[in-house]
Parts: sequence; C-alpha cells; structure tokens
Amino acid sequence: GAGVSQTPSNKVTEKGKYVELRCDPISGHTALYWYRQSLGQGPEFLIYFQGTGAADDSGLPNDRFFAVRPEGSVSTLKIQRTERGDSAVYLCASSPRSVSSGANVLTFGAGSRLTVL
Amino acid sequence: GESVGLHLPTLSVQEGDNSIINCAYSNSASDYFIWYKQESGKGPQFIIDIRSNMDKRQGQRVTVLLNKTVKHLSLQIAATQPGDSAVYFCAERAAGGGNKLTFGTGTQLKVEL
Repeated sequence: GAGVSQTPSNKVTEKGKYVELRCDPISGHTALYWYRQSLGQGPEFLIYFQGTGAADDSGLPNDRFFAVRPEGSVSTLKIQRTERGDSAVYLCASSPRSVSSGANVLTFGAGSRLTVL
Repeated sequence: GESVGLHLPTLSVQEGDNSIINCAYSNSASDYFIWYKQESGKGPQFIIDIRSNMDKRQGQRVTVLLNKTVKHLSLQIAATQPGDSAVYFCAERAAGGGNKLTFGTGTQLKVEL
C-alpha cells in the first residue's frame, strides 16, 4: 500500500484479556518498528525487526509483550493479560533500511489506540 | 496516578510569523537527529533530519540547527501557516546504538489567525 497500515485503529478491552495489533508496512521496506505513545509524551521504542527476525526487543516492557513478523512483511504485536497501564497508542513504522545503516526516514502509521478498562 | 507529560510545552505564534521550537537532547554520543510533526489522531510525520557532523540544514520553509556543545537542537519554521499547528518532536539516535530513535516529549505549536 501507499503507507503503513495499522489495525484496529481503536481497541477497547478488559483487564486481563489478550490483544493483537497488526501492522502492514510499506511494500519492500525491510525494517519495521513498534513504538508506544502515552498521552502527552513522545513515542517510546518497543522492538525492531530486520526482515523476519527481531533484531532489538530491548524496549518491550515485560514478557506479556511479544511481536512477530513471520514472512518479513506484516507484523503483529501481542499483549497478554492486559493491564490498565498498557493503555496507549501503539505506533508502527517502517523504513527501507535500518536506522543504523545511515540516515533513514521512518514512516509511521496512524497507530492503534488501546484502552484497557 | 502521576500526570507527568500531560501538559505539553506550547508555543503560540501569529500566522505569517517565524516559529522556533527547541529541544535539549540527552546523549552526547547521538549522531543523527530528526524532527517529526504529529497532528491529532495521526502518526508522526518526518520533517527534516541532520547528522552530527553538520550544524545547520535547510528544507522548504524549515531549518534545523544543531549545537553539540550544549546538546541543543532547534527547528525554525518560516512564515508559519495554520497547517503547521501540531505537536513537534525531536528524536535522536545514539552512535552505535543500533536502530532506536529516542523521542523528546514534544512541543505543541498553535498558529493564531
């Protein structure tokens, strides 16, 4: 597609439930990133994929969070046993190459707003 | 709970005036910096970037200045327009830090007609 697509745009769930958030990056972009943005704050890094592998998952807050990218394109962020503190906008971004390989622009999706009641 | 971060710094400017948005970054080892614009309900949008071996870079109506001595970054917007109203974030990448961009807390720019 023309841009990074994220679904759902809004998700309301109850504490303790399992949630999946999907990201469809720009076609051909090998690098994919997940960020989390709380109200009034800047995005915080969660995880980075180069191709199918998670090259850096140091931003995942705990083992309730997991992400996959099995075919090197679409990625799914999975949150188990959701807590109220998980409420945030989850942003996905993609780029043709990794940030570390040089000046590179991340293109962000509009985000998935997660609300945990 | 604590409400840190709910009250963004705000800059109000008149339409047509120049805007200057400032950012203090934290890591002296950062080698690459980016400014993003974020409108309500949308993801951050790239504006302009600069490497640490430069101190100024110009785009269309925007200029980024980098002062590594005091770890300060600024974004100048010429002839500010209503469409420039948004939250602006600076982001830095640490040299050798892989692929993470660390974002600042943002500044809300309001353009008054």
